[in-house]
Amino acid sequence: DTGVSQDPRHKITKRGQNVTFRCDPISEHNRLYWYRQTLGQGPEFLTYFQNEAQLEKSRLLSDRFSAERPKGSFSTLEIQRTEQGDSAMYLCASYRGQGYNEQFFGPGTRLTVL
Amino acid sequence: AQSVTQLDSHVSVSEGTPVLLRCNYSSSYSPSLFWYVQHPNKGLQLLLKYTSAATLVKGINGFEAEFKKSETSFHLTKPSAHMSDAAEYFCVVSPNAGNNRKLIWGLGTSLAVNP
Repeated sequence: DTGVSQDPRHKITKRGQNVTFRCDPISEHNRLYWYRQTLGQGPEFLTYFQNEAQLEKSRLLSDRFSAERPKGSFSTLEIQRTEQGDSAMYLCASYRGQGYNEQFFGPGTRLTVL
Repeated sequence: AQSVTQLDSHVSVSEGTPVLLRCNYSSSYSPSLFWYVQHPNKGLQLLLKYTSAATLVKGINGFEAEFKKSETSFHLTKPSAHMSDAAEYFCVVSPNAGNNRKLIWGLGTSLAVNP
């Protein structure tokens, strides 16, 4: 257990529905990252937060995706009008900040879009 | 720009024999390098990391990796494979310079351990 939790662990939805995932990082960590992992691939960077500020977004993050970290603690990732291509494992990582190197990963949320 | 190439998508070894998983990287900056392991239906676990200190890095479960700047390699080794080592292994690079520290992942190497 890394201390990073994600909810839900699994989500099955129909195409066109909206879904929201939550990540709770390690409490003293000021950075939070989202990655996406499709079957047979390595994770790919989506976005990251420094406290409540979203500092970078990947081109993978289409306008149907939105992420927030309203109080600099937990984060949510919302996907609107889901498509079958959104089916993937969504991973959250917690990072303490400058001078430290390791990102701690949550167990992931596996999304299946039917 | 940073990138990682894992040279083998699948490696199969017999229990008790050595493991070698190969990784080459490209980085504009002095990098940090990592190996993560992912067991089926489990989360990503850090095996070891290189962060510009000793070039031979020891990790958990008997794994080691050696940073070779001249060869831009960071291969993962273990002297004797165990059945429980069967998993997906990812080589990862992150720049030490710049601010975002995002991780750039290889495509993974699937390790099978045969009895």
